Amino acid sequence: DTGVSQNPRHKITKRGQNVTFRCDPISEHNRLYWYRQTLGQGPEFLTYFQNEAQLEKSRLLSDRFSAERPKGSFSTLEIQRTEQGDSAMYLCASAKVQGGRETQYFGPGTRLLVL
Amino acid sequence: RKEVEQDPGPFNVPEGATVAFNCTYSNSASQSFFWYRQDCRKEPKLLMSVYSSGNEDGRFTAQLNRASQYISLLIRDSKLSDSATYLCVASQRSNDYKLSFGAGTTVTVRA
Repeated sequence: DTGVSQNPRHKITKRGQNVTFRCDPISEHNRLYWYRQTLGQGPEFLTYFQNEAQLEKSRLLSDRFSAERPKGSFSTLEIQRTEQGDSAMYLCASAKVQGGRETQYFGPGTRLLVL
Repeated sequence: RKEVEQDPGPFNVPEGATVAFNCTYSNSASQSFFWYRQDCRKEPKLLMSVYSSGNEDGRFTAQLNRASQYISLLIRDSKLSDSATYLCVASQRSNDYKLSFGAGTTVTVRA
């Protein structure tokens, strides 16, 4: 499978715990995005990378959230001191700009439940 | 106001019918548009890209109206497998291609 992969697929944690999610993008894609999706809503942008550089963080991303892409390949998203409001699907997408256009391809997501 | 607005539906249609729905966007600088399909508890999957006035792919046709700032999606000869939520997406090169999603339109095709 050469698509975007995410691990774990599901995570249940207690409030106050830290969690980390991983995303492996399509190998030739240099751009990687993180989104959060709650029930009945479309995905909301959180942050993105071009190679290893984190170019933007949404105001949705509080100080408890941090993302890295250390070698420009896989990325991790960490949530510290989780809150019940963090429960959501966390989606990763990868892309490559070609001819002034970009198409994003999504991974299967990590579904987080904070108890 | 959300950047991309969609009629949430649901649109319940019989198999073989034609169904169409619109999406409006507020940022006139939006240049690229996409329709993604999302099945329950799954990730969004790209259905169609729309860069000019429209695009057609088999039973699916997307039309873009820049003057009125809306995009439509039409599904002909609906199949049971077309039942899903359809997400309308806009992006701007000036905003470094970040995607703005609508909340989705739910379509249910019944036998």
